[in-house]
Amino acid sequence: EDQVTQSPEALRLQEGESSSLNCSYTVSGLRGLFWYRQDPGKGPEFLFTLYSAGEEKEKERLKATLTKKESFLHITAPKPEDSATYLCAASTDSWGKLQFGAGTQVVVTP
Amino acid sequence: DVKVTQSSRYLVKRTGEKVFLECVQDMDHENMFWYRQDPGLGLRLIYFSYDVKMKEKGDIPEGYSVSREKKERFSLILESASTNQTSMYLCASRSLQGTGEKLFFGSGTQLSVL
Repeated sequence: EDQVTQSPEALRLQEGESSSLNCSYTVSGLRGLFWYRQDPGKGPEFLFTLYSAGEEKEKERLKATLTKKESFLHITAPKPEDSATYLCAASTDSWGKLQFGAGTQVVVTP
Repeated sequence: DVKVTQSSRYLVKRTGEKVFLECVQDMDHENMFWYRQDPGLGLRLIYFSYDVKMKEKGDIPEGYSVSREKKERFSLILESASTNQTSMYLCASRSLQGTGEKLFFGSGTQLSVL
């Protein structure tokens, strides 16, 4: 059975304290690995899609990487506005259905 | 940018009522999805549609149905609402343009069934 697991469940950081979020996946035939950001009471907002092991993508203080078994979302020198829940999801078919992890809630304090 | 609009932000219904959740996208996307989100469980796929009048079950379709009469509109129907259907419902549409595949989500409908 396809499974996507995120760790830790919650992360509390001081402003400027870099850290990484983990997304491990056990799926048959990964087509793409997605990262989303979700603010309270809102829908998920797209961050990155990664397609093959070794691929990296960056956006401001965020960098996503992909291996054959897991993906990492690195947050460099975070600011309070980076506080959110970060979701990863795996796609295994051509319809675009996503299998989501439960998310990592990140709180960045000044 | 793509806009996915869900008709209601908050909804309170009674057990046994028929409930309609509406979703509209403005980018002519073929694929649309309905997910529900519950604390600790993440997002789970209820139904998806890959064209007008075409639909497929997701992982948790029981108690739900969908309708897609026009390309831009995808409706989720709770035939007889139950308390275990209290949840956040998220609609999404899929883009294949630009830098790669991505889903655009609406703001969600928080449904409470009493």
